[in-house]
Amino acid sequence: DTEVTQTPKHLVMGMTNKKSLKCEQHMGHRAMYWYKQKAKKPPELMFVYSYEKLSINESVPSRFSPECPNSSLLNLHLHALQPEDSALYLCASSPGGLAGQETQYFGPGTRLLVL
Amino acid sequence: AQSVTQLDSQVPVFEEAPVELRCNYSSSVSVYLFWYVQYPNQGLQLLLKYLSGSTLVESINGFEAEFNKSQTSFHLRKPSVHISDTAEYFCAVSNYGGSQGNLIFGKGTKLSVKP
Repeated sequence: DTEVTQTPKHLVMGMTNKKSLKCEQHMGHRAMYWYKQKAKKPPELMFVYSYEKLSINESVPSRFSPECPNSSLLNLHLHALQPEDSALYLCASSPGGLAGQETQYFGPGTRLLVL
Repeated sequence: AQSVTQLDSQVPVFEEAPVELRCNYSSSVSVYLFWYVQYPNQGLQLLLKYLSGSTLVESINGFEAEFNKSQTSFHLRKPSVHISDTAEYFCAVSNYGGSQGNLIFGKGTKLSVKP
């Protein structure tokens, strides 16, 4: 199984809502990532979890809160978002042992619209 | 710090024509190089990568890329494209000894294959 799954596929939320994005992989990977991708732009790294510990937070606003309950699951909790946070949110995973040379496996993304 | 430049934001070609998508990188240390492809409404998937050894790397669907250290380039080529190759292509770089969050993407090149 070389698949990363993400739910939901689409999400519309108001600026006062609280919602969560979910990501799951069953490849035994120990590194998991959240990226944000705006239209016609490359993915921007938000967070990296390595062996269930947050290893990188790219100065992301606190209205985004990541969580890694176990080695297969990654959540992104959203609260009080702004319209400019509307984007495609991509989850990815990689084996976790070879750092820079690893292939990252991406999910299909959650397309988020903040009204 | 590394950077990646994809010189062409859009490349329109006719079906069965050859194509080259250009990628140049900048880094003060040795690098690993990747090409990822993003089909419409999907996440990214690895097309091919250069880690070491032979400077010419190939994908299973007919693409190839050549690492040229002196020109700091990693151009992607295909001798005959298909309609199904229409997608966004991202060149990416990470450095030796880098962490999992070290992957830097170029801005992407949109390949449009016309019948």
